[in-house]
Amino acid sequence: DIQMTQSPSSLSASVGDRVTITCRASQSISNYLNWFQHKPGKAPKLLIYAASSLQSGVPSRFSGSGSGRDFTLTISSLQPEDFATYYCQQSYGTTWTFGQGTKVEIK
Amino acid sequence: EVQLVESGGGLVQPGGSLRLSCAASGFSFSSFVMKWVRQAPGKGLEWVSYMSSSGSTIYYADSVKGRFTISRDNAKNSLYLQMNSLRAEDTAVYYCARSYSSGWYAVDDYWGQGTLVTVSS
Repeated sequence: DIQMTQSPSSLSASVGDRVTITCRASQSISNYLNWFQHKPGKAPKLLIYAASSLQSGVPSRFSGSGSGRDFTLTISSLQPEDFATYYCQQSYGTTWTFGQGTKVEIK
Repeated sequence: EVQLVESGGGLVQPGGSLRLSCAASGFSFSSFVMKWVRQAPGKGLEWVSYMSSSGSTIYYADSVKGRFTISRDNAKNSLYLQMNSLRAEDTAVYYCARSYSSGWYAVDDYWGQGTLVTVSS
């Protein structure tokens, strides 16, 4: 199975900060990479699909990049509603694995 | 509006069984791949099972293969997960998710809010 490694596992940031989360696949997955936001007690929310495509309705401060094994989620200016846990997910093949998550907390 | 509502969770003893349901509305359920994903307490997301729109193609994570069975009733707009031989490590919030496909790419674009399964004596 393809393993996904996210870093960091948690970070503290202030409103307005630029935040970058990275995700590395154990093998090349082309651009079969998605990013989700998850808040406690809520449904996970799709942010980015195919590594860099912004899901409809998601604010443009969210962006994704990368291909092959290395990927990045960037929040250009952190807003209060962005404090959550973020997961990458690979969709290459017929098993779907997630990174371990990055918890974004208020500094 | 797309809605996915899970139900059927609860407390069950090790070795027991439970059947989860996911009621879908706001879209043409029979046209979409559906999945189950879970999150154990304090852990990350883990894909559990996949079923194609017709039900003809099914996949399971190794951790549940032989114990869990995914099914769907397109006439009732519902997805199910029959869980047998439950273990403590199956304790988790279980989410159903819709998978949207646009040609070459498929992604889980809508999720329910989950139902909690607790396996404990």
